[in-house]
Amino acid sequence: DAKTTQPTSMDCAEGRAANLPCNHSTISGNEYVYWYRQIHSQGPQYIIHGLKNNETNEMASLIITEDRKSSTLILPHATLRDTAVYYCIVRVWDTGTASKLTFGTGTRLQVTL
Amino acid sequence: NAGVTQTPKFRVLKTGQSMTLLCAQDMNHEYMYWYRQDPGMGLRLIHYSVGEGTTAKGEVPDGYNVSRLKKQNFLLGLESAAPSQTSVYFCASSRLAGALEQFFGPGTRLTVL
Repeated sequence: DAKTTQPTSMDCAEGRAANLPCNHSTISGNEYVYWYRQIHSQGPQYIIHGLKNNETNEMASLIITEDRKSSTLILPHATLRDTAVYYCIVRVWDTGTASKLTFGTGTRLQVTL
Repeated sequence: NAGVTQTPKFRVLKTGQSMTLLCAQDMNHEYMYWYRQDPGMGLRLIHYSVGEGTTAKGEVPDGYNVSRLKKQNFLLGLESAAPSQTSVYFCASSRLAGALEQFFGPGTRLTVL
């Protein structure tokens, strides 16, 4: 699995867009980029994933650079409830196996008033 | 649609006692997982199941047993609890093989004295 690098922490004002970067310069062609978050004392929550194209869902947008060496998770209008640790994960989608989810250190996003 | 539920939410055991953690999902997912999360160590996979009646070991299976008698339920047993098993336990499920889109329960906080 490709190694990912994320900033340790970020702050964002409520109502503004939160842009969380992830560097994955060793990503290979068949590896997906996944984002999860974990709000304090809760179970991890899947946010979004993508391979090459930008993706958007009701929670967030994922922007992947053309060379796929980095990506950005965008929360368009951050609220206090988005305060959490955000994890970027790069993995192959191997349809022959159940997949273990492994978190790195992640980015601690603090949304403030 | 409750998603993934876990019981109990909290439990305190004495060393040597046994208990069973119950995970239930109502999404008709084939794949189910048990993780533990300790401070500063991220998620570690204990056991997983790729379908009713099947289970497999993860990376830290010692001291735990599991059963998947029904598709919607995945049980984690501790036969003789040890203080090293003090942790937060998360159950997750996924629809597709190899997918990292996993849905997590709220967790069980277990303390072994």
